Amino acid sequence: KAGVTQTPRYLIKTRGQQVTLSCSPISGHRSVSWYQQTPGQGLQFLFEYFSETQRNKGNFPGRFSGRQFSNSRSEMNVSTLELGDSALYLCASSRLPETSGGDTQYFGPGTRLTVL
Amino acid sequence: KQEVTQIPAALSVPEGENLVLNCSFTDSAIYNLQWFRQDPGKGLTSLLLIQSSQREQTSGRLNASLDKSSGRSTLYIAASQPGDSATYLCAVGRKNYGGSQGNLIFGKGTKLSVKP
Repeated sequence: KAGVTQTPRYLIKTRGQQVTLSCSPISGHRSVSWYQQTPGQGLQFLFEYFSETQRNKGNFPGRFSGRQFSNSRSEMNVSTLELGDSALYLCASSRLPETSGGDTQYFGPGTRLTVL
Repeated sequence: KQEVTQIPAALSVPEGENLVLNCSFTDSAIYNLQWFRQDPGKGLTSLLLIQSSQREQTSGRLNASLDKSSGRSTLYIAASQPGDSATYLCAVGRKNYGGSQGNLIFGKGTKLSVKP
């Protein structure tokens, strides 16, 4: 079974530009979450999508947005890029939790975004 | 507000030693707790998931325990090997309304180095 895939793996942009990152979850997984990882702040939750609906959102400005398609693939978009947006962006997927206690989140390799 | 702390931030041990990594959290109303490892520049690999109703989980040389009342979890690694060198992250999950997985709140991690 293929794992979570993210494209592109590396991206270099300049301030003010916008960027779109893509995530394909494991087949059969309907929940997709996005995280930002930086050396200073560590891993921080961005948002979660479940059945094409944003179910949960972290404490990030409105420049960060996302969506999920009917095949569970997800994209996140960052507009008006700032230097501080340089980070590793990780996507994670999980199944519909069939039992109480949730389910394991499986992470992709990430997209390394550098803003110059 | 849930906060997750991991101590120590870094640990160096000789090969073959048994070791314990610590994780503490401030709010005991958790849904689950996961341990991950992250190799440099890579995504996260899930190691163990402990549901809130469980006390421990085991996988091979790894054993994770959970004590919700004291807000603590430990990851025990038996007979450490150089291949275990990585950053180990603890993450607390909370259930989101609507049945979705919700988001994970991560500690900053413990960087483990196992010397041959």
